[in-house]
Amino acid sequence: TQLLEQSPQFLSIQEGENLTVYCNSSSVFSSLQWYRQEPGEGPVLLVTVVTGGEVKKLKRLTFQFGDARKDSSLHITAAQPGDTGLYLCAGERGGGADGLTFGKGTHLIIQP
Amino acid sequence: EAGVAQSPRYKIIEKRQSVAFWCNPISGHATLYWYQQILGQGPKLLIQFQNNGVVDDSQLPKDRFSAERLKGVDSTLKIQPAKLEDSAVYLCASKSGQLNYGYTFGSGTRLTVV
Repeated sequence: TQLLEQSPQFLSIQEGENLTVYCNSSSVFSSLQWYRQEPGEGPVLLVTVVTGGEVKKLKRLTFQFGDARKDSSLHITAAQPGDTGLYLCAGERGGGADGLTFGKGTHLIIQP
Repeated sequence: EAGVAQSPRYKIIEKRQSVAFWCNPISGHATLYWYQQILGQGPKLLIQFQNNGVVDDSQLPKDRFSAERLKGVDSTLKIQPAKLEDSAVYLCASKSGQLNYGYTFGSGTRLTVV
């Protein structure tokens, strides 16, 4: 069974601070995706990374895929209260059976 | 485009009763997934359909869970009989056939078994 370990599980910081969330696995994935989930809603895709070493930026969010395609990180610069939510990383195996394997998520709270 | 529609939003049943959830994916999305999300955890894949065929149901507890997608569009997930540990949010997702596109999730059905 492929597992994705996310850390930290919980994070509460002040507005304006920077933070990094990590997603690690012993398995190789064809792609790794980051989602954000609000209470009572389904996960919403933030980004997909495919190539080892790839870096993608989405405004204040920077996503990185490890060279070996086993790990990823999400860095948020100058966090804002609107960034509060559950951040999930998910690995895609590729091929026909390509259902996602999710980490347990990082609960992020940005205090004003 | 319209999102993934799920119903009902909430359901409370007693253990040993049966329950069914419905999902309508994004138009044109051939691949449909059902996930179970227990409180405090990430979603876990239950079953994947490609059109009306099952691609992966290795994590579906087949003694009590069943799912179908008869015409390759809508799908239903059924639990019979329900157990207390089935309390969770059941999420439906669909995926475009284009490479590197993510999944679109519905808002889910929150099931409480008492």
